Amino acid sequence: AQSVSQHNHHVILSEAASLELGCNYSYGGTVNLFWYVQYPGQHLQLLLKYFSGDPLVKGIKGFEAEFIKSKFSFNLRKPSVQWSDTAEYFCAVTGSGNTGKLIFGQGTTLQVKP
Amino acid sequence: DAGVIQSPRHEVTEMGQEVTLRCKPISGHNSLFWYRQTMMRGLELLIYFNNNVPIDDSGMPEDRFSAKMPNASFSTLKIQPSEPRDSAVYFCASSLDRGEYNEQFFGPGTRLTVL
Repeated sequence: AQSVSQHNHHVILSEAASLELGCNYSYGGTVNLFWYVQYPGQHLQLLLKYFSGDPLVKGIKGFEAEFIKSKFSFNLRKPSVQWSDTAEYFCAVTGSGNTGKLIFGQGTTLQVKP
Repeated sequence: DAGVIQSPRHEVTEMGQEVTLRCKPISGHNSLFWYRQTMMRGLELLIYFNNNVPIDDSGMPEDRFSAKMPNASFSTLKIQPSEPRDSAVYFCASSLDRGEYNEQFFGPGTRLTVL
């Protein structure tokens, strides 16, 4: 079955700490991978995406993610978090060439303490 | 660009009532998606349309839910009759399908409370 698993449900960090949020997926075939962010009270916004090519993807606001095919993983990283990064983060997958059906993980709530 | 527009932003209704959620996709986009977000189940795709045609409605929970897209600029999600377990945030998203996956742009959501 197609699924996405985010290991951390709730993460609390102090400002300037480094962040890594885990994401593993189960999906047959070639995949497209995404990280979305949802700030409190707002809609989902795309942080970054991987379609093909360089497995290290850089997104907005200093975020990056690495696609490791052998581990079926797409972990999100940021070297130094800010209070404004407090949000919920969702990993998602879809099949390459599939224009619908994003499969989302359960989400990770990140709380950054000033 | 106005982005994806959803209305209403908040809806409180009583069990048994009909609820209609509305979505206007980004102009020029030809794919539209309805999602439901709850604490228990996270984000779930309910249905998506391509060129106004429903492509996959396997996520629609039951017959009480229906969705339509009469034209490229408008879609509705209807729940009749509504039940308390339908309480959730419903998101609409749209994308431009050019033969490969394209980014989905999400609307602000409708927070539905069924009493």
